Amino acid sequence: AQRVTQPEKLLSVFKGAPVELKCNYSYSGSPELFWYVQYSRQRLQLLLRHISRESIKGFTADLNKGETSFHLKKPFAQEEDSAMYYCALNTGNQFYFGTGTSLTVIP
Amino acid sequence: DVKVTQSSRYLVKRTGEKVFLECVQDMDHENMFWYRQDPGLGLRLIYFSYDVKMKEKGDIPEGYSVSREKKERFSLILESASTNQTSMYLCASSLWRLAGGTDTQYFGPGTRLTVL
Repeated sequence: AQRVTQPEKLLSVFKGAPVELKCNYSYSGSPELFWYVQYSRQRLQLLLRHISRESIKGFTADLNKGETSFHLKKPFAQEEDSAMYYCALNTGNQFYFGTGTSLTVIP
Repeated sequence: DVKVTQSSRYLVKRTGEKVFLECVQDMDHENMFWYRQDPGLGLRLIYFSYDVKMKEKGDIPEGYSVSREKKERFSLILESASTNQTSMYLCASSLWRLAGGTDTQYFGPGTRLTVL
């Protein structure tokens, strides 16, 4: 069963526009959610985790247990945000990753 | 800074060959993982290990095996490579929390394997 769903494979926005990457999860326990990012020719790296409640590179994500969502948001997209983004769920024993969303920010 | 290294960035092998992918981490992490990354399919877990000489199957273990003889090293083995194993392979490591459960995963740069 798919535990993490990212409905958009591709997302394009103009520079300066708001961006939202969607993530929904399925888990009966207490979820721990992450966003990972992979820039071109770079390794997959942690962007942010919900328990830190921090903003990294202008991105934020709020865990909504009622809607089982952990959407990633940024009010003003920059060209350097173009990358592949993966949402991940940690169940304690292992991570489950979504299929990823490729974000392109158009100059 | 966590360092996870993989032995090769690119690898080309022929069908039927035995292939070894090596991963080394330098942060004394207990947990290590092997994923394959394919477009449209995201990251899929092949095998993981919580400790030396321990291994657990992930979601797609068929056609693969692993070895963890030392804490810092986790090897992925393709016993007889096939064309459908052409993919990007990612290694990751993480701490095991005192309270239980795996902590944040740190990834290596990946090995792009092509099987002809």
